[in-house]
Amino acid sequence: KQEVTQIPAALSVPEGENLVLNCSFTDSAIYNLQWFRQDPGKGLTSLLLIQSSQREQTSGRLNASLDKSSGRSTLYIAASQPGDSATYLCAVGGSSNTGKLIFGQGTTLQVKP
Amino acid sequence: DGGITQSPKYLFRKEGQNVTLSCEQNLNHDAMYWYRQDPGQGLRLIYYSQIVNDFQKGDIAEGYSVSREKKESFPLTVTSAQKNPTAFYLCASRLGQDFVAGELFFGEGSRLTVL
Repeated sequence: KQEVTQIPAALSVPEGENLVLNCSFTDSAIYNLQWFRQDPGKGLTSLLLIQSSQREQTSGRLNASLDKSSGRSTLYIAASQPGDSATYLCAVGGSSNTGKLIFGQGTTLQVKP
Repeated sequence: DGGITQSPKYLFRKEGQNVTLSCEQNLNHDAMYWYRQDPGQGLRLIYYSQIVNDFQKGDIAEGYSVSREKKESFPLTVTSAQKNPTAFYLCASRLGQDFVAGELFFGEGSRLTVL
C-alpha cells in the first residue's frame, strides 16, 4: 500500500530564504506526482505536476524534482515571501492512470517578514 | 471563468439526516473526484468517476453515495450511515487522458458539521 510522508510537519523561515520541502513515498511505481498549496479553509491549488518520466518541473520561483528510484520528491522555493505562507501537500498517482492520488499530510510553512 | 464550484460552502446537519453536496465544473473535464479532509489525516478518496454514468468507490466510500448523470456534475450524498461525517469535503476534476496523467484541479470545498 502506497504511503506518502512529508517532513517536517511545520516550518518557519525568515523572508528571502530559499527552502526545500520534502516528500517521500514507499512504492516507486507511480504515474505522476503533484504538489499543491492550501490556504486555511480553502481548496487546493495545483502548483506543479511531474510525470513519472520526468525529473523536474519549474514554475516561477518553484522547482519540483522527482527521484522515483529513491521514492523522493522535493519542492524548492526560492526567495521566500510572506505570501508563500500556506500548507504544501504532495500527492502521488498510482500505477494506473485513474487520477487517484495518495496525499501526504502536508508541511505548513510560515514565512516571517 | 472556468473552474469547479462547490456548494454550499458551509453546511450543518442533524444526526440521522442525509445531505447532498454539489460539485459543478465547466472545464469540460472527464473525470471527477470527491475527497475528505480531516485534521492530521490528510485527504482521503471517497468516490471517483471517469465517465458519465459510471463511478467507483475510493478508500472510504461507506456511508456515501454519488451520481454522475451529466459530465459537469458529480454530487455527493452523505447519508445517515456515515458514522463521523463532520469534515471538509473537496471535489476535484481532470481531463481524461489515456496515456498522460492529467493535472488534478480542486474546488474551494464544503465544510460539513453534524450537530
